[in-house]
Amino acid sequence: GAGVSQSPSNKVTEKGKDVELRCDPISGHTALYWYRQSLGQGLEFLIYFQGNSAPDKSGLPSDRFSAERTGGSVSTLTIQRTQQEDSAVYLCASSLADGQGNGQPQHFGDGTRLSIL
Amino acid sequence: QKEVEQDPGPLSVPEGAIVSLNCTYSNSAFQYFMWYRQYSRKGPELLMYTYSSGNKEDGRFTAQVDKSSKYISLFIRDSQPSDSATYLCANTDKLIFGTGTRLQVFP
Repeated sequence: GAGVSQSPSNKVTEKGKDVELRCDPISGHTALYWYRQSLGQGLEFLIYFQGNSAPDKSGLPSDRFSAERTGGSVSTLTIQRTQQEDSAVYLCASSLADGQGNGQPQHFGDGTRLSIL
Repeated sequence: QKEVEQDPGPLSVPEGAIVSLNCTYSNSAFQYFMWYRQYSRKGPELLMYTYSSGNKEDGRFTAQVDKSSKYISLFIRDSQPSDSATYLCANTDKLIFGTGTRLQVFP
């Protein structure tokens, strides 16, 4: 079956522009997560959704970052007024049931490689 | 101290070797641990997940959790060049990932 799909796979933009990243989770997965992975770094948790609500936004690095999820399915991560330090791979994952405190495995997409010039 | 720590490597071994990958964690309340494999320019792929202490085996892979020492391990038997990747440990109680260990298996 189809896995987690992310688009675009690569994005190059100028500093100061806004970008929007999209994630299509596995059908039936109610939990959806966004992570950021910088070169040589582990995965940095950004936000997770249970259905359309985001119980934990603690990982968003600044108010330039926002995310939404509609219809319990597709999610978009928006970065406003991008800075060079935003350059990274943004990964999306989905899982059954709740996001934290349980053993539901997360299934990842291949990420969006974002480069800010 | 990071809540999940992992040696970044790189770890280079000959084909057929037994590989041991390790992580430590600081929070004794953590219960759920997972191992992911990540090939270059790909997303992490789930390999194993464990709950609390003990071993779990799947083919050439064995995951082990030692709660007394707060240590988790992934063993790969009969390693193959196709196992060359970065291996990430993770705790899903708090969605924390290690930085990953880069493994290279040479023929």
